[in-house]
Amino acid sequence: NAGVTQTPKFRVLKTGQSMTLLCAQDMNHEYMYWYRQDPGMGLRLIHYSVGEGTTAKGEVPDGYNVSRLKKQNFLLGLESAAPSQTSVYFCASSLDSSGRPDRSDTQYFGPGTRLTVL
Amino acid sequence: RKEVEQDPGPFNVPEGATVAFNCTYSNSASQSFFWYRQDCRKEPKLLMSVYSSGNEDGRFTAQLNRASQYISLLIRDSKLSDSATYLCVVTPTSGTYKYIFGTGTRLKVLA
Repeated sequence: NAGVTQTPKFRVLKTGQSMTLLCAQDMNHEYMYWYRQDPGMGLRLIHYSVGEGTTAKGEVPDGYNVSRLKKQNFLLGLESAAPSQTSVYFCASSLDSSGRPDRSDTQYFGPGTRLTVL
Repeated sequence: RKEVEQDPGPFNVPEGATVAFNCTYSNSASQSFFWYRQDCRKEPKLLMSVYSSGNEDGRFTAQLNRASQYISLLIRDSKLSDSATYLCVVTPTSGTYKYIFGTGTRLKVLA
């Protein structure tokens, strides 16, 4: 199993450009997440999905859109990139969010995408 | 007050030393607790879950103190390969997707 993969690994955009980040998981997980990580701040949740065809806003959703048309894929879109969106983006997935002792709610992370917006 | 707070470090320790980190959380109703490890420019990886009774995995021991609202991670016999940032994660309620991350504690193990 590849686990969670992300493409691209690196990207440089100019202000106002758009792009889509792709996350794929092969673990048949129901839940998927997009985070951003900035220096001096913990990972912050952008959007998440509790199953195919569903999405919901996280802590910092402004300027981003997401789609989950297939269970294994979760796409993050930037419609009009801004320098404030320069960050490292991580995708994660979990089987569920049960909180059961078997830890089926454990989140597994992809390798990240480093995005710079000039 | 931040929901989850960690000392950013760095903690510089010699090989073979024992080192401990604490993480405090503000929500007394928090349910699940984890330690993740993050190497430089890499993704976070689960190190261990933290159970109420405390748990041990090899050289690593995690403890939960609900009364004082903190979790701890103890690393014995530190290895060079333990050098990383250790992230504390708390979930506010049971059965929730929501992870709240600390900013991490950086550990450097020196030869």
